[in-house]
Amino acid sequence: QSALTQPASVSGSPGQSITISCTGTSSDVGTYNLVSWYQQHPGKAPKLMIYDVTKRPSGVSDRFSGSKSGNTASLTISGLQAEDEADYYCCSYAGAGNTVIFGGGTKLTVL
Amino acid sequence: QLQLQESGPGLVKPSETLSLTCTVSGGSISSSNYYWGWIRQPPGKGLEYIGYIRHTGSTYYNSSLKSRVTISAYPSKSQFSLNLSSLTAADTAVYYCAGAVDGTAAFDIWGQGTMVAVSS
Repeated sequence: QSALTQPASVSGSPGQSITISCTGTSSDVGTYNLVSWYQQHPGKAPKLMIYDVTKRPSGVSDRFSGSKSGNTASLTISGLQAEDEADYYCCSYAGAGNTVIFGGGTKLTVL
Repeated sequence: QLQLQESGPGLVKPSETLSLTCTVSGGSISSSNYYWGWIRQPPGKGLEYIGYIRHTGSTYYNSSLKSRVTISAYPSKSQFSLNLSSLTAADTAVYYCAGAVDGTAAFDIWGQGTMVAVSS
């Protein structure tokens, strides 16, 4: 079972919007609306930012939004801020055996 | 408010078995709302799902680790555990315990993580 595919890095200037893609297969992202996104700052535990493709946990800024088309999910961050600089991981339920699969991670740099 | 805390050895020898415990405070691990899992992260690398246990006691594991992993729950102690056998250097990682609302496959509660090195 291969990891979901994410770009290794993305960057943007403060105030801009960026989108991180997460490509899976018809066995995971393409079939289940159970995609989540995590933000991880260096030395810290991951933090859930998006779940069920589009939902935000309480307390997460509405600058973060999620979407999905076919086998690819996306995380969009609008109005970039310095504190958004972190690693971002996507994750999907993968069905058989009730497994979960993560993406390889994307490093976001705020210029 | 639920909080998780991992505990266990920071150094284990190759071929031995790693045993980690996650203590849950602020709630019961028997709650049908949550399932409890383990995720690891090798130094400088990404997250890897290990497995999880539901309130029913059913367990689900990453197929690549299944032969070496056992996750158990101890509701009376508000703890769940991870056993990983036949360790190699490739198992060196930060190990996180986490909780997910059942039905979401999204871990919304995480422990701080514990670093485990496999070395002789």
